[in-house]
Amino acid sequence: QKEVEQDPGPLSVPEGAIVSLNCTYSNSAFQYFMWYRQYSRKGPELLMYTYSSGNKEDGRFTAQVDKSSKYISLFIRDSQPSDSATYLCAMSPTYSGAGSYQLTFGKGTKLSVIP
Amino acid sequence: EAGVTQSPTHLIKTRGQQATLRCSPISGHTSVYWYQQALGLGLQFLLWYDEGEERNRGNFPPRFSGRQFPNYSSELNVNALELEDSALYLCASSPPGELFFGEGSRLTVL
Repeated sequence: QKEVEQDPGPLSVPEGAIVSLNCTYSNSAFQYFMWYRQYSRKGPELLMYTYSSGNKEDGRFTAQVDKSSKYISLFIRDSQPSDSATYLCAMSPTYSGAGSYQLTFGKGTKLSVIP
Repeated sequence: EAGVTQSPTHLIKTRGQQATLRCSPISGHTSVYWYQQALGLGLQFLLWYDEGEERNRGNFPPRFSGRQFPNYSSELNVNALELEDSALYLCASSPPGELFFGEGSRLTVL
């Protein structure tokens, strides 16, 4: 079993839809959870991060972590064509200190938002 | 402020050759991370450099190596290239709290 599993999609939704992206993981040491967005031919950029369990909201984006189920989600409300990208989940056992960014990534989900 | 810059953007090599990829971190960042993004495999951690020293490496063979220079820029070398080394190689630099990625160098091995 891979440490982080993410459905690669592709996922295609109409503009305005609510999008749900998910990852599961097996390493109970993971404490720090991130979502990156990667546009075609670009490097990943950090969208959101959460520490341990709970929800975090930022505009149209909500990140959710359920450590008991080893399951994280990213919700995108009122999706826009500009949200079309590959979304990567990433996680790490530690938040602070050196080396905490040797992240374990999911394979990414390719999202297309159709106007 | 300039972001993480990588060169070359694209590189085509043949099996058995060597490839050298370069990365300049954001000014003030002392840590540089290298990741490989191969088709269907996602991002895989390759190497971490901090203050000129290799601090950790991922599960890659020794023909993947690199170094960090006094100005914190970094170089990734891949020796004895194999077809499966074809991938996007991403460099990232960090202060505490976030990884900032460059746009990557796409290596194609024929």
